[in-house]
Amino acid sequence: DAGVIQSPRHEVTEMGQEVTLRCKPISGHNSLFWYRQTMMRGLELLIYFNNNVPIDDSGMPEDRFSAKMPNASFSTLKIQPSEPRDSAVYFCASSYRTGEKLFFGSGTQLSVL
Amino acid sequence: AQSVTQLGSHVSVSEGALVLLRCNYSSSVPPYLFWYVQYPNQGLQLLLKYTSAATLVKGINGFEAEFKKSETSFHLTKPSAHMSDAAEYFCAVGGGGGNKLTFGTGTQLKVEL
Repeated sequence: DAGVIQSPRHEVTEMGQEVTLRCKPISGHNSLFWYRQTMMRGLELLIYFNNNVPIDDSGMPEDRFSAKMPNASFSTLKIQPSEPRDSAVYFCASSYRTGEKLFFGSGTQLSVL
Repeated sequence: AQSVTQLGSHVSVSEGALVLLRCNYSSSVPPYLFWYVQYPNQGLQLLLKYTSAATLVKGINGFEAEFKKSETSFHLTKPSAHMSDAAEYFCAVGGGGGNKLTFGTGTQLKVEL
């Protein structure tokens, strides 16, 4: 298996622009997670899905952030409009079932200028 | 509610010396506990996990961790550090019927000659 695939690896954009991050989980995994990592806040869970349904989005910082999972093999995290404070590494992770280990993608390094 | 506390954001050891990274957890239900490692510019990788089968858990790369319920601890150890062990290590707690893991703030391990 190719693992969790995220794109793009790096994204540089200007403040106010829309940013879309993409994730393909491991085939057969039922749960998908979006994390954000910064030096100041460490690793934060933004939102997670079970069977394509959002379960907990309490970590989404504000309405500028939205996430979708239209099918079992694809998810997006969108920021509109983006701000410099959104600069971070965004990780997608998936797991097979409750209590099982998370498999992380390589992350998207986002820089908002 | 669940939480983990990692004592020491930075740990430095000499090559060949014992590695000890500390993690204490809080959980209202029997916990699943994990240690992840993150190398520069990569996602997190699972080192080992505890799910109540055995209190001493062996992981990859010679690491192991011992679950001590009385101390609510899950410290990570390796008898002899190698230069390639330099990375950031995260402790995480899960359980309670959901996939959501709560991560600690991480410990940066430096290995010196």
